[in-house]
Amino acid sequence: NAGVTQTPKFRILKIGQSMTLQCAQDMNHNYMYWYRQDPGMGLKLIYYSVGAGITDKGEVPNGYNVSRSTTEDFPLRLELAAPSQTSVYFCASTKSGAREKLFFGSGTQLSVL
Amino acid sequence: GENVEQHPSTLSVQEGDSAVIKCTYSDSASNYFPWYKQELGKGPQLIIDIRSNVGEKKDQRIAVTLNKTAKHFSLHITETQPEDSAVYFCAASKGGFKTIFGAGTRLFVKA
Repeated sequence: NAGVTQTPKFRILKIGQSMTLQCAQDMNHNYMYWYRQDPGMGLKLIYYSVGAGITDKGEVPNGYNVSRSTTEDFPLRLELAAPSQTSVYFCASTKSGAREKLFFGSGTQLSVL
Repeated sequence: GENVEQHPSTLSVQEGDSAVIKCTYSDSASNYFPWYKQELGKGPQLIIDIRSNVGEKKDQRIAVTLNKTAKHFSLHITETQPEDSAVYFCAASKGGFKTIFGAGTRLFVKA
């Protein structure tokens, strides 16, 4: 099993550009999550999904969108990128909720200039 | 709101010494407390977890203790090695979708 795979690893965007961060898992997990990690701030939940076709907002959803058309894939869309979205983004998954081990991808380092 | 405070933010120890990282949570309904290790350029990885019906759990050189009354939990690493150098995150969850993370502790183990 590859686990959770994220692409790209690094990206630089100009203000106002858009992009999609890709995330895929091959563990048949129902729950998938997007977190952002800012220095000294821990991880903050952007969006999550409990299964294909079901998504919901986390703590910091503004400026982002997600979709979950299959169990495996959970892309994160940034529209009109802003400098405040400069961060490291992690996708994660669990089989059945937050009271179990989170499997994380290797992260995407995004800079918006 | 729900919060997890983690201390210290930076910890430097000599190889072979012990390291202790402490966390406090605010939501008394929390019942799952994982610890994650993040190495440079990688995603966090679970190293140990504890549930609220247990006061202590040990796995080789790593142990976690939980005091539900005080809403404290701690990570203890004994006989530290240079490869223990990383950022460590504590977290708390009461189920559903939400995991609340501490801000992280950067551990340096000096050879």
